[in-house]
Order: sequence, then structure tokens, then C-alpha cells
Amino acid sequence: QQKVQQSPESLSVPEGGMASFNCTSSDRNFQYFWWYRQHSGEGPKALMSIFSDGDKKEGRFTAHLNKASLHVSLHIRDSQPSDSALYFCAASDSGYNKLTFGKGTVLLVSP
Amino acid sequence: ETAVFQTPNYHVTQVGNEVSFNCKQTLGHDTMYWYKQDSKKLLKIMFSYNNKQLIVNETVPRRFSPQSSDKAHLNLRIKSVEPEDSAVYLCASTRTGGAEEQYFGPGTRLTVL
Repeated sequence: QQKVQQSPESLSVPEGGMASFNCTSSDRNFQYFWWYRQHSGEGPKALMSIFSDGDKKEGRFTAHLNKASLHVSLHIRDSQPSDSALYFCAASDSGYNKLTFGKGTVLLVSP
Repeated sequence: ETAVFQTPNYHVTQVGNEVSFNCKQTLGHDTMYWYKQDSKKLLKIMFSYNNKQLIVNETVPRRFSPQSSDKAHLNLRIKSVEPEDSAVYLCASTRTGGAEEQYFGPGTRLTVL
């Protein structure tokens, strides 16, 4: 069973719209959660980290963590075509920062 | 420029051949990783090195062997490649600690014919 599960598999939003991603973990040892974004032909790049319960906002991006349910979400407001990419949720539990990635969500933002 | 660099960008080879990939980071990090990204874009960690020492070795076929000469360099050798080895191999680096961001290179795309 995948330890980090993401939904939806793909998402299409109009330019200016809100994109929302969900992630659930089945391992209570995970303490640190990340959202990474990968554009075609590039390596993944970290978008945001969230380690405490509640919301964390950085510009157009807002992450939410509920440690009791091991649920993490990411919301992108005012989505732009340049946000079109593959979004990964990732979690780690150790000092060596071994990340476990979800399967990813493909976002398409249409002009 | 500080970043994670990988060579080659892509490599095409035949079943049974040996291949080597190189990774260098100029970020001053002490931990480096190899990930495999398959055709479905699934990312899985293969190996992790901290200050030249192997610390994570996932269930990976024995034909894969990582090597680290110093904390800035991490190479990956595959002896006798198989068709299922076709993938993108991504190198990443970070500072030691559970809350540190990992920085990824652009990847090496391997195609095994």
C-alpha cells in the first residue's frame, strides 16, 4: 500500500481559478510534509513545507495540515498557466530526511 | 551558480551493458540521494549518502551500485542493464535534518533497448 496517497490524479482549472490538492498518509511516524512541483523535463522543486497543525500561507499558495488525520492539502489561488505541472506530496520521518512521495497530481491551467 | 548538476542528460543503451551517471552539487550540502522516476512519474528513493557514507539503501537490484568520492559528488553505476531500468534517474541533495528541503537535479533519462 502506498504510504502517501494523493488525489485527484489530474486537475484542470481555468486561469485565475483555485486549484486544490489532497494528500493522506498511512504512517504516523511521518512528521514533516512537503509539496514539490515538477515541470516537464525538470527535476522536482520544493514549493512549501508544513510541519505544524493548521494553515501556512506563502503568496498564492496555502497548505493545511491535520496531524490527527494525517491529511495535508495544498491550494493555489489565482492559478496561472505557468502553474501547470506535476504536484507531489512528500513526507519524512527521520533526521536523514528520507522522503516518501505520493503518485502526484497533474495540474493543467488553461488560459 | 549553485545547484545540482547531472550528466549525461540522457543515455540510450542495450540490455546487458554497463552505464554510469554522475551528480555534483555546489550547494554545500552533506546528504545526497538517488531517486528513480518511472514512466508513470512515480518517484522512489534508491540510495542516500551522508558525508560519503551510505545511510539508506532501499530494495534495489544488486546491479545498482552508488559511489561517493566526497560529499559533493554521488555517482550511480548499473551493471548489466535490464529493460525495466528505463527511467529518469534524479539526484538530490540537502542538509542533514528532517526538516530540510531537497534540491533536485534535472535528471538523466535512461532508455534500455
